[in-house]
Amino acid sequence: QKEVEQNSGPLSVPEGAIASLNCTYSDRGSQSFFWYRQYSGKSPELIMSIYSNGDKEDGRFTAQLNKASQYVSLLIRDSQPSDSATYLCAVKKDRGSTLGRLYFGRGTQLTVWP
Amino acid sequence: DTEVTQTPKHLVMGMTNKKSLKCEQHMGHRAMYWYKQKAKKPPELMFVYSYEKLSINESVPSRFSPECPNSSLLNLHLHALQPEDSALYLCASSEWDRGSDQHFGDGTRLSIL
Repeated sequence: QKEVEQNSGPLSVPEGAIASLNCTYSDRGSQSFFWYRQYSGKSPELIMSIYSNGDKEDGRFTAQLNKASQYVSLLIRDSQPSDSATYLCAVKKDRGSTLGRLYFGRGTQLTVWP
Repeated sequence: DTEVTQTPKHLVMGMTNKKSLKCEQHMGHRAMYWYKQKAKKPPELMFVYSYEKLSINESVPSRFSPECPNSSLLNLHLHALQPEDSALYLCASSEWDRGSDQHFGDGTRLSIL
């Protein structure tokens, strides 16, 4: 079982729609959760971090965390063509020998069409 | 633009060459990381430095040799690389190694001939 699972997509939504990206993780001891956006040929850019259950909003982005279900999601409202990228879910276990290690999902490729 | 600076942006080298990748941050972060990323794959962790000491080595071949001269600098020395080592090499930093956000540099695109 992989540490972090994402639907690799591709996910295609029209401009102005809500894009919903999902991620599950296997270790209940995970404490920190991140969403990175990566444009083709570029490096990952941190867009959201979430540490406690519930929703966290930042502009058009909302991260949702449900530790009981081991589920984290990213909603992008009013999607724009510039949001077209690969979105990487990452999970960190903040204890033991895996201290500092980020576990990445495979990424979900999002395309927003005009 | 990121606050983690990597040089060079592109590097082409032969299998017998020796070269180094450099990473610099001036945010006072005490944890620094090297990742390798192949096309259409997520980043793979190579090394973690915490307070200038190597804390994680993900069983990386010895042809990759990391060095942390001070809290702001991280190097990756390359020697006798193979064509399959061609990839995007990413440096990242965070305030400390637990529970804090990691920010990536722009990466070095490495091609081995």
